[in-house]
Amino acid sequence: QKEVEQNSGPLSVPEGAIASLNCTYSDRGSQSFFWYRQYSGKSPELIMSIYSNGDKEDGRFTAQLNKASQYVSLLIRDSQPSDSATYLCAVTTNAGKSTFGDGTTLTVKP
Amino acid sequence: EAEVAQSPRYKITEKSQAVAFWCDPISGHATLYWYRQILGQGPELLVQFQDESVVDDSQLPKDRFSAERLKGVDSTLKIQPAELGDSAMYLCASSLRPLPGQGYNEQFFGPGTRLTVL
Repeated sequence: QKEVEQNSGPLSVPEGAIASLNCTYSDRGSQSFFWYRQYSGKSPELIMSIYSNGDKEDGRFTAQLNKASQYVSLLIRDSQPSDSATYLCAVTTNAGKSTFGDGTTLTVKP
Repeated sequence: EAEVAQSPRYKITEKSQAVAFWCDPISGHATLYWYRQILGQGPELLVQFQDESVVDDSQLPKDRFSAERLKGVDSTLKIQPAELGDSAMYLCASSLRPLPGQGYNEQFFGPGTRLTVL
């Protein structure tokens, strides 16, 4: 079992819809959680960080964290074609070890 | 806006040759990371520095890879000799020093170096 698992996708949604991306992690000592977006051939860019249970909203993006279920998700509202990319979930433990999932590829169709 | 700098952006080499990658983190970022990313996979941590000290190199193939951050600022990752399986994107990232009890900060990535070993 991988330490950080994401739906392999690909995920396809119509423009304007909500895209839901999910991530589970195995280390209960994890305390910092991040979502990155990566366009093809480019490096990851940070979308959001979340540290506490609950929801965190930033514009069209909402991150949700449930430490008891070891689950973190990212919702993208009003999806746009420019949101088409691979989304990476990253988890950092309380010892500072960072692990990335393999990403979920999202396609937003006009 | 401050950015992580990496060079070269692309590198083509033949197997058994030596290659080196350079990274200059965002000013003030004490933590520096080197990752390797194979197409279709997430970044895999190779080595993590806190200032000039290595805090994690458990996934670094030490028989051929080496990394240093002598003055706690910029860093170099070297591969010698390169093998065909080393073809990948090599990413450098940096973050602020973690504060006790406050979790680890976001990592900011450089543009990466695309290595092709022939």
